[in-house]
Amino acid sequence: GAVVSQHPSWVICKSGTSVKIECRSLDFQATTMFWYRQFPKQSLMLMATSNEGSKATYEQGVEKDKFLINHASLTLSTLTVTSAHPEDSSFYICSASARERSLQETQYFGPGTRLLVL
Amino acid sequence: AQRVTQPEKLLSVFKGAPVELKCNYSYSGSPELFWYVQYSRQRLQLLLRHISRESIKGFTADLNKGETSFHLKKPFAQEEDSAMYYCALSGSGTYKYIFGTGTRLKVLA
Repeated sequence: GAVVSQHPSWVICKSGTSVKIECRSLDFQATTMFWYRQFPKQSLMLMATSNEGSKATYEQGVEKDKFLINHASLTLSTLTVTSAHPEDSSFYICSASARERSLQETQYFGPGTRLLVL
Repeated sequence: AQRVTQPEKLLSVFKGAPVELKCNYSYSGSPELFWYVQYSRQRLQLLLRHISRESIKGFTADLNKGETSFHLKKPFAQEEDSAMYYCALSGSGTYKYIFGTGTRLKVLA
């Protein structure tokens, strides 16, 4: 149980285009989802916290107009990188916290999406 | 300030040797502590939660509130333990994590 998927697993796009990344909890309801960015050989940097049905909470220094997050249902959150530029190239990871008591306060991670902006 | 510190970026041990990955934290309340492992080209996987008091793949971790530590230990390292290990803290009443910078464990044959 507690499986999180991400789609796509990798994407290459031209500078100026927008890219949407989906994060799904496959076998549980996730009231809270998180979006991270991971640079090579570095730790995860939290970008934003996403709660179902409400606006995402962004970490300091993360542009909310650049990184649009939508959490429309208990199993799906999307991150859209708008007008992507080469500096946005990174590994984006989502995670989900479960509603069920036994899984509470534990984050389960997706496999990540590698974005390359040319 | 809330912080998770993993002082070692890289830890190399020989197969069969004991392993201890250090994690210290700074938090004003009662945190939940976790260890996650990331094998090469794989996603982060939950290894241990301190409240579960379990042993996974031979690893254990004890929360020491006096020393504000949550070190990960294994008595006999295996080559397949080679991976990146992250210590994480979650504050009470929130699902948000604070991650340490990670320690790369290399188990040598």
